Amino acid sequence: SQQGEEDPQALSIQEGENATMNCSYKTSINNLQWYRQNSGRGLVHLILIRSNEREKHSGRLRVTLDTSKKSSSLLITASRAADTASYFCATDEDKIIFGKGTRLHILP
Amino acid sequence: EAGVVQSPRYKIIEKKQPVAFWCNPISGHNTLYWYLQNLGQGPELLIRYENEEAVDDSQLPKDRFSAERLKGVDSTLKIQPAELGDSAVYLCASSVSAPGELFFGEGSRLTVL
Repeated sequence: SQQGEEDPQALSIQEGENATMNCSYKTSINNLQWYRQNSGRGLVHLILIRSNEREKHSGRLRVTLDTSKKSSSLLITASRAADTASYFCATDEDKIIFGKGTRLHILP
Repeated sequence: EAGVVQSPRYKIIEKKQPVAFWCNPISGHNTLYWYLQNLGQGPELLIRYENEEAVDDSQLPKDRFSAERLKGVDSTLKIQPAELGDSAVYLCASSVSAPGELFFGEGSRLTVL
């Protein structure tokens, strides 16, 4: 079963533009995490935001969390070709459950 | 620090054959996870270990899948017999404790013919 659902399913943008991905979930959570997966590789942890936090930054990444709307967003600023990957949100209630992911493609 | 190591990276077998995947987590990580990932989908939890104990195996198809984590370190996931629908990537992850940041291996891609 998958708790989180990312939107859009796929996104293509020009290099240098900002990319925004959204995640909606169904039940209350302890925290929410974002992961990146390059093609044919394992997932890599990007950032964790706790349920009592509203916004968090890490380098070019900005994550927001709205627990009243049960949603989160991941913003990647000044995108680069190396950002091409799939991005997954993962909610943590009593177990970590991943969404289906957003496939991001950065065009040169 | 070595990451999570999985083997084999690729495996092709005929249906009804057995297959096993091995995972060595990061040293000191007590929690170990096996996930299944179908093409274009997110990882789905099969089983979670806290040290040697399987604390969540509710999504593991126990008629054909089995897992073990002897001595609370390495883990093996077995499928016997494999079916066509088992073709997927099997991901192993570990964390210091649950919940927390997961560290994933590169995965084992299974193709069942």
